[in-house]
Amino acid sequence: QKEVEQNSGPLSVPEGAIASLNCTYSDRGSQSFFWYRQYSGKSPELIMSIYSNGDKEDGRFTAQLNKASQYVSLLIRDSQPSDSATYLCAVNDPPGGSYIPTFGRGTSLIVHP
Amino acid sequence: DTGVSQNPRHKITKRGQNVTFRCDPISEHNRLYWYRQTLGQGPEFLTYFQNEAQLEKSRLLSDRFSAERPKGSFSTLEIQRTEQGDSAMYLCASSDSTGIQETQYFGPGTRLLVL
Repeated sequence: QKEVEQNSGPLSVPEGAIASLNCTYSDRGSQSFFWYRQYSGKSPELIMSIYSNGDKEDGRFTAQLNKASQYVSLLIRDSQPSDSATYLCAVNDPPGGSYIPTFGRGTSLIVHP
Repeated sequence: DTGVSQNPRHKITKRGQNVTFRCDPISEHNRLYWYRQTLGQGPEFLTYFQNEAQLEKSRLLSDRFSAERPKGSFSTLEIQRTEQGDSAMYLCASSDSTGIQETQYFGPGTRLLVL
């Protein structure tokens, strides 16, 4: 069974700091990786997708992927109170696979003023 | 395009009743997924469609659950004889599988409470 592991948190950071969220996955063949943000009572919202080893930056967000270590992370620079949410990591098969992503339980982030 | 929509947004029902939820995906997306999410957990896969064909169902999905996508556009998820354990957020997501990579976009969800 494919597994995606995330620390449930909460991770508490002060406003303006860098928040680092981590995710590990069990299926070495996985090739698509996603970070979703989910506010309480709302549905997941896609923040970043990453497919190749290395870093991918989008505004204040940076996704980092290390397939050898089966590890993907999300960095949030200049954290704001509005970033307080649960961050879900999702991992999907390569093309030709099951097309069903596996989600982690999510990490709760609290950004305090 | 306005994204994935779901109706109703909230549903309260009594145990034993049947409920039906609707999902309208992003218009050009050929794949449609249903998930269930409970507090403190990530979305749990239920079933998915490619166009009108239901390609996979979770083994966790009991025979009280049925889903359809009759014309390859909107989809319905029906739960028969609801139980209190069915209380959850039901999420629909859609994606386009024809590109190089596939990304799912979620609807706002339907929150079900079974009394």
